Amino acid sequence: QVTLRESGPALVKPTQTLTLTCTFSGFSLSTSGMCVSWIRQPPGKALEWLARIDWDDDKYYSTSLKTRLTISKDTSKNQVVLTMTNMDPVDTATYYCARGRDGSYDPWGQGTLVTVSS
Amino acid sequence: SYVLTQPPSVSVAPGKTARITCGGNNIGSKSVHWYQQKPGQAPVLVIYYDSDRPSGIPERFSGSNSGNTATLTISRVEAGDEADYYCQVWDSSSDHPEVFGGGTKLTVL
Repeated sequence: QVTLRESGPALVKPTQTLTLTCTFSGFSLSTSGMCVSWIRQPPGKALEWLARIDWDDDKYYSTSLKTRLTISKDTSKNQVVLTMTNMDPVDTATYYCARGRDGSYDPWGQGTLVTVSS
Repeated sequence: SYVLTQPPSVSVAPGKTARITCGGNNIGSKSVHWYQQKPGQAPVLVIYYDSDRPSGIPERFSGSNSGNTATLTISRVEAGDEADYYCQVWDSSSDHPEVFGGGTKLTVL
């Protein structure tokens, strides 16, 4: 059974750096074709893809957020970490990680709500 | 970056057929995936590779993709199908390769 779980702070202040961890089980990110993406969803709004890391350590970022994002993986710990710098209230959202394979994402983690407020 | 356009809302009576579209430039040349998201829950994959269903997804869910439009079709709609639906593609030619549509709220009347 494949599961993913997001963890990180529920509240961050403006200008701070957000660090989120996706801990997964049931698959290996060293397996050819596997990837993990981070996707966020502001309250009442649509899904927005943020970043992706592949099994071979290739990395892809949203063009609009590229300068603020860093994605990395620790294969031995089955974790993917996303950092986002210079947080702003508009970054308030539920952040999801999801396993990708052959272009689609299944399953997704339950998501973690991050609120940016002073 | 590539843009996917979905209607904000679709309404359908129980037992009828719902069709949710996803428009994009020559989307027929790409693989389209569809997700269902119910309130307070994470998205769930319902269609991948245009028309394949993951295990556990009812046969009532089907998909097609041609030209500039991909379509998610839900037959014999049930009250439990009420949710937001998102299409997604991988655009390998783009610096922003993963794209989601804006989502469609399916209302069962």
